[in-house]
Amino acid sequence: DIQMTQAPSSLPASLGDRVTITCRASQDIGNYLRWFQQKPGKSPRLMIYGATNLAAGVPSRFSGSRSGSDYSLTISSLESEDMADYYCLQSKESPLTFGSGTKLEIK
Amino acid sequence: EVKLLESGGGLVQPGGSMRLSCAASGFTFTDFYMNWIRQPAGKAPEWLGFIRNKANGYTTEYNPSVKGRFTISRDNTQNMLYLQMNTLRAEDTATYYCARFEGNYWGQGVMVTVSS
Repeated sequence: DIQMTQAPSSLPASLGDRVTITCRASQDIGNYLRWFQQKPGKSPRLMIYGATNLAAGVPSRFSGSRSGSDYSLTISSLESEDMADYYCLQSKESPLTFGSGTKLEIK
Repeated sequence: EVKLLESGGGLVQPGGSMRLSCAASGFTFTDFYMNWIRQPAGKAPEWLGFIRNKANGYTTEYNPSVKGRFTISRDNTQNMLYLQMNTLRAEDTATYYCARFEGNYWGQGVMVTVSS
């Protein structure tokens, strides 16, 4: 199985900060990487697909990037509505695997 | 409007069985792969498996963690997706979602609790 190692598990940050969350894939997954945002009691919301593509309706302060086997989600200027859990998901091969999650919270 | 609505959750004893349903609407059901994902409280989601679309013969793939105990099926005449869960264990306790990854459509989730 492909392991997705996500870091950090918790990220205290201030409004206006630039923040980055990273997932490292244990095998090559190409650009088969999605980022989800999840708020309490809600279903996950797709933010980024294909590693770098912004999903429909997602604010432009969100971006995705790739460097080798490292995939990053960056929020350029944190807003209060961005406080949530974030998960990466690889869909290169079965079983699809999620990262362990990052809780983004106000410092 | 695409909608996915799960049903069938609740409390079940260890070793028991349960079938979850997912009613799909607003799209051509047979065109899409459909997934089941679960999420224990406070933990990351876990992909359980998917069933392919008509073009790919409605075949299935499963996470090894549930293969042999869980079965995904679909009724394309009723636009329904199913998850049959057998020999349930306490660690199967979670919120279960059906999802269509293309376009990012998820149901609201249904809670399954395995406890005596």
